[in-house]
Amino acid sequence: GAVVSQHPSRVICKSGTSVKIECRSLDFQATTMFWYRQFPKQSLMLMATSNEGSKATYEQGVEKDKFLINHASLTLSTLTVTSAHPEDSSFYICSARGLDINEQYFGPGTRLTVT
Amino acid sequence: RKEVEQDPGPFNVPEGATVAFNCTYSNSASQSFFWYRQDCRKEPKLLMSVYSSGNEDGRFTAQLNRASQYISLLIRDSKLSDSATYLCVVNYAGNNRKLIWGLGTSLAVNP
Repeated sequence: GAVVSQHPSRVICKSGTSVKIECRSLDFQATTMFWYRQFPKQSLMLMATSNEGSKATYEQGVEKDKFLINHASLTLSTLTVTSAHPEDSSFYICSARGLDINEQYFGPGTRLTVT
Repeated sequence: RKEVEQDPGPFNVPEGATVAFNCTYSNSASQSFFWYRQDCRKEPKLLMSVYSSGNEDGRFTAQLNRASQYISLLIRDSKLSDSATYLCVVNYAGNNRKLIWGLGTSLAVNP
C-alpha cells in the first residue's frame, strides 16, 4: 500500500509555543490530505481537509487561526499548532489520498504533549 | 444520534473464539464502508472494505445490510494478535469523500 510519513513522531513543548507537524506522501501524489486528532479512548476527529494549492476546509469547532494548515505540494502538508496549550495535547494523525486511490493512507501519527 | 455507532465493548474472549462486532450508520446516502483496526497509540490501518454482497478475508468476514444501515465484522478463531480496537468507517460520496468514524470496539483476546 501507499506510504505516508509524519514528523515528528513525538513532541513535547511548553505552553505558548508553536509546533509544526509534517505529513508526506512518499510514493504517490496526495491531492487531498486530512488532519485528525484523537484524544485517549476517543475516536478520530477530523480537524480539516486540505487540497493541494488551496485553503484548507476546517470542521466546525476547529479554529483555523490556531491550527494552520499548508498543503503547498502534492507530497507535503503541514499542520502548525500555534500558541499551544495543555488541552491541545493529543495524537495528531494525517492521512493522504490521491486521485486514483479510493481509500486513505494514514501517517503513523504525532503525539503532542504541551506542558 | 451519532452518524456511526458501535458497541464500545470491551469484548474479552479466549483464543479460538468467534466474535462479532456490529455497527450502524445514520446516513442512507453512505456509499463506502470499511473496517479499520487500531492498535494502542498507533494509527488506524485498513482491515477490509465492506461490499454489499459481503466479503471474506481469511478469518474475517464483513457484511453490509443497506436496508437496515448495519455493518458487521466477524472474526473466527481469534488470535492474541487480534487484540485491538476495531473501527467502523463510512464514506459519504458527496462530502468531499471524508470518512466518518465510529468510536471503535475494543477487543481483548486472552490466552
